[in-house]
Amino acid sequence: QKEVEQDPGPLSVPEGAIVSLNCTYSNSAFQYFMWYRQYSRKGPELLMYTYSSGNKEDGRFTAQVDKSSKYISLFIRDSQPSDSATYLCATTGANSKLTFGKGITLSVRP
Amino acid sequence: NAGVTQTPKFRVLKTGQSMTLLCAQDMNHEYMYWYRQDPGMGLRLIHYSVGEGTTAKGEVPDGYNVSRLKKQNFLLGLESAAPSQTSVYFCASSYSVTSGGAWNEQFFGPGTRLTVL
Repeated sequence: QKEVEQDPGPLSVPEGAIVSLNCTYSNSAFQYFMWYRQYSRKGPELLMYTYSSGNKEDGRFTAQVDKSSKYISLFIRDSQPSDSATYLCATTGANSKLTFGKGITLSVRP
Repeated sequence: NAGVTQTPKFRVLKTGQSMTLLCAQDMNHEYMYWYRQDPGMGLRLIHYSVGEGTTAKGEVPDGYNVSRLKKQNFLLGLESAAPSQTSVYFCASSYSVTSGGAWNEQFFGPGTRLTVL
Protein backbone atom coordinates (compact mmCIF):
# COMPACT_ATOMS: atom_id res chain seq x y z
CA GLN A 1 0.00 0.00 0.00
CA LYS A 2 1.35 3.41 -0.94
CA GLU A 3 1.77 5.76 1.98
CA VAL A 4 -0.59 8.34 0.47
CA GLU A 5 -3.48 7.33 -1.76
CA GLN A 6 -5.39 9.86 -3.83
CA ASP A 7 -8.17 9.24 -6.33
CA PRO A 8 -6.57 10.21 -9.67
CA GLY A 9 -9.83 11.44 -11.22
CA PRO A 10 -10.17 13.50 -13.39
CA LEU A 11 -13.01 15.49 -11.90
CA SER A 12 -15.25 17.88 -13.83
CA VAL A 13 -17.79 20.14 -12.11
CA PRO A 14 -19.92 23.13 -13.12
CA GLU A 15 -19.00 26.61 -11.92
CA GLY A 16 -20.34 27.30 -8.44
CA ALA A 17 -20.25 23.67 -7.32
CA ILE A 18 -18.78 22.50 -4.03
CA VAL A 19 -15.75 20.31 -4.67
CA SER A 20 -14.46 17.66 -2.30
CA LEU A 21 -10.99 16.22 -2.83
CA ASN A 22 -9.78 13.39 -0.63
CA CYS A 23 -6.67 11.42 0.30
CA THR A 24 -5.88 8.64 2.71
CA TYR A 25 -2.55 7.89 4.31
CA SER A 26 -1.10 4.93 6.17
CA ASN A 27 1.70 6.22 8.40
CA SER A 28 0.51 7.25 11.87
CA ALA A 29 3.69 9.31 12.33
CA PHE A 30 2.58 11.86 9.76
CA GLN A 31 1.74 15.12 11.50
CA TYR A 32 1.69 17.78 8.79
CA PHE A 33 -0.78 17.71 5.92
CA MET A 34 -0.71 19.97 2.94
CA TRP A 35 -2.42 20.64 -0.36
CA TYR A 36 -0.49 21.87 -3.35
CA ARG A 37 -2.11 23.29 -6.49
CA GLN A 38 -0.45 22.86 -9.85
CA TYR A 39 -1.57 24.69 -12.96
CA SER A 40 -0.83 23.13 -16.34
CA ARG A 41 2.89 23.22 -17.18
CA LYS A 42 3.76 25.00 -13.92
CA GLY A 43 5.38 23.98 -10.66
CA PRO A 44 3.26 23.06 -7.62
CA GLU A 45 2.34 25.90 -5.25
CA LEU A 46 1.30 25.46 -1.64
CA LEU A 47 -2.40 26.08 -1.15
CA MET A 48 -2.84 25.20 2.51
CA TYR A 49 -1.34 23.13 5.27
CA THR A 50 -2.63 21.87 8.61
CA TYR A 51 -0.99 20.37 11.64
CA SER A 52 -2.56 17.28 13.23
CA SER A 53 -6.35 16.87 13.16
CA GLY A 54 -8.86 19.62 12.57
CA ASN A 55 -10.02 22.15 10.02
CA LYS A 56 -8.37 25.15 8.44
CA GLU A 57 -10.22 27.66 6.32
CA ASP A 58 -8.85 30.17 3.82
CA GLY A 59 -11.46 31.97 1.78
CA ARG A 60 -13.31 29.44 -0.37
CA PHE A 61 -10.93 26.63 0.64
CA THR A 62 -11.18 24.38 3.70
CA ALA A 63 -8.64 21.71 4.59
CA GLN A 64 -9.70 18.96 6.95
CA VAL A 65 -7.68 16.20 8.60
CA ASP A 66 -9.06 13.25 10.55
CA LYS A 67 -6.09 11.41 12.07
CA SER A 68 -8.28 8.70 13.57
CA SER A 69 -9.32 7.56 10.11
CA LYS A 70 -6.15 8.82 8.35
CA TYR A 71 -8.22 10.93 5.98
CA ILE A 72 -7.27 14.26 4.37
CA SER A 73 -9.82 16.44 2.59
CA LEU A 74 -9.91 19.71 0.68
CA PHE A 75 -13.22 21.46 0.08
CA ILE A 76 -13.67 24.22 -2.47
CA ARG A 77 -16.81 26.33 -2.20
CA ASP A 78 -18.29 28.27 -5.12
CA SER A 79 -15.77 26.75 -7.50
CA GLN A 80 -14.48 28.97 -10.30
CA PRO A 81 -12.93 28.17 -13.70
CA SER A 82 -9.68 29.58 -12.29
CA ASP A 83 -9.67 26.66 -9.81
CA SER A 84 -9.08 24.29 -12.73
CA ALA A 85 -5.74 22.65 -11.88
CA THR A 86 -4.18 19.51 -10.47
CA TYR A 87 -4.41 19.22 -6.68
CA LEU A 88 -1.78 17.23 -4.82
CA CYS A 89 -2.10 16.14 -1.22
CA ALA A 90 1.09 15.58 0.74
CA THR A 91 2.13 14.72 4.25
CA THR A 92 5.22 14.42 6.41
CA GLY A 93 6.46 13.79 9.90
CA ALA A 94 8.51 16.18 12.00
CA ASN A 95 11.83 15.63 10.28
CA SER A 96 11.08 13.52 7.26
CA LYS A 97 10.46 14.02 3.61
CA LEU A 98 7.20 14.94 1.92
CA THR A 99 5.13 12.07 0.59
CA PHE A 100 2.77 13.09 -2.21
CA GLY A 101 -0.42 11.61 -3.52
CA LYS A 102 -0.67 11.10 -7.26
CA GLY A 103 -2.74 14.27 -7.76
CA ILE A 104 -6.25 14.81 -9.10
CA THR A 105 -7.04 17.04 -12.08
CA LEU A 106 -10.04 19.30 -11.52
CA SER A 107 -11.88 21.06 -14.33
CA VAL A 108 -14.50 23.71 -13.49
CA ARG A 109 -16.84 24.33 -16.43
CA PRO A 110 -18.15 27.90 -16.93
CA ASN B 1 13.32 37.56 -5.53
CA ALA B 2 13.32 35.01 -8.33
CA GLY B 3 12.55 32.12 -5.95
CA VAL B 4 13.51 28.76 -7.44
CA THR B 5 14.71 28.73 -11.02
CA GLN B 6 15.54 25.77 -13.23
CA THR B 7 17.68 25.50 -16.35
CA PRO B 8 16.91 24.40 -19.04
CA LYS B 9 13.13 24.47 -19.45
CA PHE B 10 13.09 21.81 -22.16
CA ARG B 11 15.58 19.26 -23.42
CA VAL B 12 15.57 16.33 -25.82
CA LEU B 13 18.29 13.73 -25.45
CA LYS B 14 19.21 10.55 -27.24
CA THR B 15 19.64 7.35 -25.28
CA GLY B 16 23.09 7.23 -23.73
CA GLN B 17 23.69 10.98 -23.73
CA SER B 18 24.44 12.85 -20.55
CA MET B 19 23.20 16.15 -19.22
CA THR B 20 23.01 18.29 -16.10
CA LEU B 21 19.94 20.11 -14.80
CA LEU B 22 20.62 23.22 -12.76
CA CYS B 23 18.49 24.47 -9.89
CA ALA B 24 19.10 27.81 -8.19
CA GLN B 25 17.34 29.44 -5.24
CA ASP B 26 17.74 32.90 -3.76
CA MET B 27 15.87 32.35 -0.48
CA ASN B 28 18.90 31.18 1.53
CA HIS B 29 17.24 27.79 2.06
CA GLU B 30 19.25 24.98 3.59
CA TYR B 31 17.29 22.11 2.05
CA MET B 32 16.97 21.41 -1.66
CA TYR B 33 15.19 18.58 -3.46
CA TRP B 34 14.88 17.02 -6.90
CA TYR B 35 11.59 15.37 -7.88
CA ARG B 36 10.30 13.77 -11.03
CA GLN B 37 6.65 13.84 -12.05
CA ASP B 38 5.18 11.21 -14.33
CA PRO B 39 1.53 10.70 -15.35
CA GLY B 40 -0.28 8.58 -12.79
CA MET B 41 2.76 8.51 -10.48
CA GLY B 42 2.66 11.86 -8.74
CA LEU B 43 5.81 13.55 -7.48
CA ARG B 44 8.63 11.22 -6.49
CA LEU B 45 11.79 12.32 -4.69
CA ILE B 46 15.03 11.53 -6.52
CA HIS B 47 17.71 13.08 -4.28
CA TYR B 48 17.85 15.80 -1.70
CA SER B 49 20.35 17.90 0.21
CA VAL B 50 20.17 19.25 3.77
CA GLY B 51 23.03 21.68 3.31
CA GLU B 52 25.99 22.71 1.22
CA GLY B 53 28.22 19.73 0.47
CA THR B 54 25.61 17.13 1.48
CA THR B 55 23.38 14.88 -0.62
CA ALA B 56 21.12 11.92 0.12
CA LYS B 57 19.04 9.44 -1.84
CA GLY B 58 15.32 9.72 -2.16
CA GLU B 59 12.71 7.28 -3.42
CA VAL B 60 13.97 6.85 -7.02
CA PRO B 61 17.72 7.66 -7.12
CA ASP B 62 18.95 5.11 -9.67
CA GLY B 63 20.45 6.61 -12.83
CA TYR B 64 20.91 10.07 -11.29
CA ASN B 65 23.67 11.86 -9.45
CA VAL B 66 23.58 15.19 -7.65
CA SER B 67 25.94 17.79 -6.26
CA ARG B 68 25.51 20.74 -3.90
CA LEU B 69 28.76 22.66 -4.11
CA LYS B 70 27.10 25.98 -3.31
CA LYS B 71 24.22 26.58 -0.94
CA GLN B 72 22.11 28.23 -3.61
CA ASN B 73 22.62 25.60 -6.34
CA PHE B 74 21.63 21.95 -6.65
CA LEU B 75 22.63 20.03 -9.78
CA LEU B 76 21.01 16.87 -11.09
CA GLY B 77 23.04 14.76 -13.50
CA LEU B 78 22.08 12.00 -15.88
CA GLU B 79 25.22 10.12 -16.90
CA SER B 80 23.63 7.87 -19.53
CA ALA B 81 20.06 8.86 -20.30
CA ALA B 82 17.41 6.19 -20.82
CA PRO B 83 13.86 6.51 -22.22
CA SER B 84 12.55 5.66 -18.72
CA GLN B 85 13.97 8.99 -17.58
CA THR B 86 11.58 10.91 -19.82
CA SER B 87 9.73 13.03 -17.28
CA VAL B 88 9.16 16.49 -15.87
CA TYR B 89 11.78 17.33 -13.26
CA PHE B 90 11.07 19.74 -10.43
CA CYS B 91 13.48 21.28 -8.01
CA ALA B 92 12.29 22.55 -4.63
CA SER B 93 13.84 24.24 -1.64
CA SER B 94 12.94 24.95 1.97
CA TYR B 95 14.36 25.81 5.36
CA SER B 96 14.56 22.70 7.54
CA VAL B 97 11.48 20.45 7.52
CA THR B 98 10.08 22.06 10.65
CA SER B 99 10.98 25.06 12.80
CA GLY B 100 9.53 25.53 16.27
CA GLY B 101 6.80 23.01 15.49
CA ALA B 102 5.71 24.72 12.28
CA TRP B 103 6.23 23.04 8.92
CA ASN B 104 8.44 24.88 6.47
CA GLU B 105 6.98 25.20 2.99
CA GLN B 106 8.78 23.64 0.04
CA PHE B 107 8.94 26.10 -2.84
CA PHE B 108 9.00 24.57 -6.30
CA GLY B 109 10.63 25.69 -9.52
CA PRO B 110 8.83 25.78 -12.89
CA GLY B 111 10.15 22.40 -14.02
CA THR B 112 12.29 20.96 -16.80
CA ARG B 113 10.63 18.80 -19.44
CA LEU B 114 13.05 16.10 -20.53
CA THR B 115 12.47 13.67 -23.38
CA VAL B 116 14.87 10.80 -23.98
CA LEU B 117 14.56 9.21 -27.40
